[in-house]
Amino acid sequence: NAGVTQTPKFRVLKTGQSMTLLCAQDMNHEYMYWYRQDPGMGLRLIHYSVGEGTTAKGEVPDGYNVSRLKKQNFLLGLESAAPSQTSVYFCASSYSGRGVVAGELFFGEGSRLTVL
Amino acid sequence: AQKVTQAQTEISVVEKEDVTLDCVYETRDTTYYLFWYKQPPSGELVFLIRRNSFDEQNEISGRYSWNFQKSTSSFNFTITASQVVDSAVYFCALSEGRTGNQFYFGTGTSLTVIP
Repeated sequence: NAGVTQTPKFRVLKTGQSMTLLCAQDMNHEYMYWYRQDPGMGLRLIHYSVGEGTTAKGEVPDGYNVSRLKKQNFLLGLESAAPSQTSVYFCASSYSGRGVVAGELFFGEGSRLTVL
Repeated sequence: AQKVTQAQTEISVVEKEDVTLDCVYETRDTTYYLFWYKQPPSGELVFLIRRNSFDEQNEISGRYSWNFQKSTSSFNFTITASQVVDSAVYFCALSEGRTGNQFYFGTGTSLTVIP
């Protein structure tokens, strides 16, 4: 019962480097999300996906790209990392179904990214 | 405009005291969902409760209780007889029916329970 798994858990980048965070869920959830958490700012939505092959911008999408090629995976990419992207990143998934618009979010353990 | 407001940034209580965490939300939808999550010092996010807009009945789960009042757009969380293990950051969140499952989080309340 893995739930939502994020890799890597920790990463240090230099400004301008690129990287991809991988999120995998084994609950057959339609919806997947990427959030960033910064001190005093709560969780802010970067991008989300309501199904395989679809993605949408959230509150703070600039500097990030995402892809949902498979239902179980949601990738978050940083093409040219900046110090402002130093944060803890959380992936989440949720279900939908008859009579349920919003199931609760199931979160991964988080990925701590530092950009020097 | 902030859709979810948690005005209390930090709260400290002595063990066994009761504590209430406030959450005020803003939405024009008639269908919406409210959530509370706990983030202990270890960092993971733990789901506590979900409430839909058509169910104003208060809920109690052990030492935890939630008071949902549509008239004041509030969804407050009370911990009775607090314990050190309750020390965490607590987030309130809103999901509106029309936005296809976008969740809006408050900035969180950091609760410290002093032994």
